[in-house]
Amino acid sequence: AQRVTQPEKLLSVFKGAPVELKCNYSYSGSPELFWYVQYSRQRLQLLLRHISRESIKGFTADLNKGETSFHLKKPFAQEEDSAMYYCALIRNSGNTPLVFGKGTRLSVIA
Amino acid sequence: EAGVAQSPRYKIIEKRQSVAFWCNPISGHATLYWYQQILGQGPKLLIQFQNNGVVDDSQLPKDRFSAERLKGVDSTLKIQPAKLEDSAVYLCASSLLRPSGEQYFGPGTRLTVT
Repeated sequence: AQRVTQPEKLLSVFKGAPVELKCNYSYSGSPELFWYVQYSRQRLQLLLRHISRESIKGFTADLNKGETSFHLKKPFAQEEDSAMYYCALIRNSGNTPLVFGKGTRLSVIA
Repeated sequence: EAGVAQSPRYKIIEKRQSVAFWCNPISGHATLYWYQQILGQGPKLLIQFQNNGVVDDSQLPKDRFSAERLKGVDSTLKIQPAKLEDSAVYLCASSLLRPSGEQYFGPGTRLTVT
């Protein structure tokens, strides 16, 4: 069975400080990994996916298959980054549902 | 493009009552998902449709939950009878067929069962 673990429920950082949101997964095959974000009073939306290898809003995430991790990083946090972040995976075999972690609430303090 | 629409946004019912939620996916999206998000948890799949056929309903409590997607467009999710533990946000999402795979979420329906 697939599982996604986000060990931190809440992460507070000061504006301008680096951010790292941790995500570990378990899956015997080759999954696709995603980060979804939910800003206050907005719907859940895709932030980035590992196959794109791109930086969105200054965030990056690298898939480490050896450590089965997909940590989300940003060098300098901004107040508008405050939100709920969910790591998720899908089985890389067709149109399959997302398996989510429990989420980490990021609070950026001015 | 218009996003995924859901209604109602909020619903409060007593246990043992029934309730129905409606979802209108993004036009052209063949795949539709219903997720349940309990407070403090990530969303969990209840059922997945492809066009009007069920792909995965393995986690749907079929003794009380039912869902349908007539004509491969709109979908309804019903709970009858509701239990206290059904209090959650019910999210609808839709996606194109692969390889895109990105799921677009609706605003959700917050259900409170008292």
